[in-house]
Amino acid sequence: GAGVSQSPSNKVTEKGKDVELRCDPISGHTALYWYRQSLGQGLEFLIYFQGNSAPDKSGLPSDRFSAERTGGSVSTLTIQRTQQEDSAVYLCASSLSDSLPTDTQYFGPGTRLTVL
Amino acid sequence: EDKVVQSPLSLVVHEGDTVTLNCSYEVTNFRSLLWYKQEKKAPTFLFMLTSSGIEKKSGRLSSILDKKELFSILNITATQTGDSAIYLCAVYYGGSQGNLIFGKGTKLSVKP
Repeated sequence: GAGVSQSPSNKVTEKGKDVELRCDPISGHTALYWYRQSLGQGLEFLIYFQGNSAPDKSGLPSDRFSAERTGGSVSTLTIQRTQQEDSAVYLCASSLSDSLPTDTQYFGPGTRLTVL
Repeated sequence: EDKVVQSPLSLVVHEGDTVTLNCSYEVTNFRSLLWYKQEKKAPTFLFMLTSSGIEKKSGRLSSILDKKELFSILNITATQTGDSAIYLCAVYYGGSQGNLIFGKGTKLSVKP
C-alpha cells in the first residue's frame, strides 16, 4: 500500500524566506511525527501529533517553526524567516498509534531543505 | 529503485541472548549507513558506518558494514530488557548533498 509521502522532495530557498513542507501520512495512522536530520547527526525530534490531542511541540528549535495537522491527516511544517542553519532533511513519520511499546513509525522520503 | 530492507521485522528473545539484526541496501552512490534505536518518540543514533570491514563497538552493541555484499549487521550481546526497541537502519546515498532512506525497522522484544 501507499507509504508516507512528503513534498517537495527538494527545496532551495533564500535566507529570510518562509517555506512550507508537506507530509501525507499512511491512511488510518493517528500519530504523526516531524524530525530533522542534519548531515552526520542523529535525528532531531521536532513535533508530534496524536489524534485530536494538543501536539507535543517540545522539539521545535525556535518560534520560527510551526506545524499543523488538518483533519487528523495531512500535516504542514512551516519555517518562517529561514536561516542557513535550517538546512537539513526534514523527515515525517506516521504510526498507527503511539501505544507503548513503541509502535512502528513509517518514515517518508524526506524533504531536503537548502537555505542559501 | 533505491531501497533499504531490514530483517527480521520482529524478534523476541530472552535476557542474555545474543541477537543479530540485518540491513541490506540497494542504492546509487552509497555514502554511509546509520543505525538508530527507537524507544520513544525520537530515534537515538547508534552508529555511522562508511568503510567496509571496520567494526564499530559501543558496550554490548557492535556493527559492521560489507560494501561488497551491500549489507550491515547490528549485534547485541547479553541482551537486557532495556534493549527492547525498534532498531532502524538508514542509508545516505546519491550525489550532491545526498539523500536519506530508512528501512522499516526491526522490533526487538527482550523477555526477562
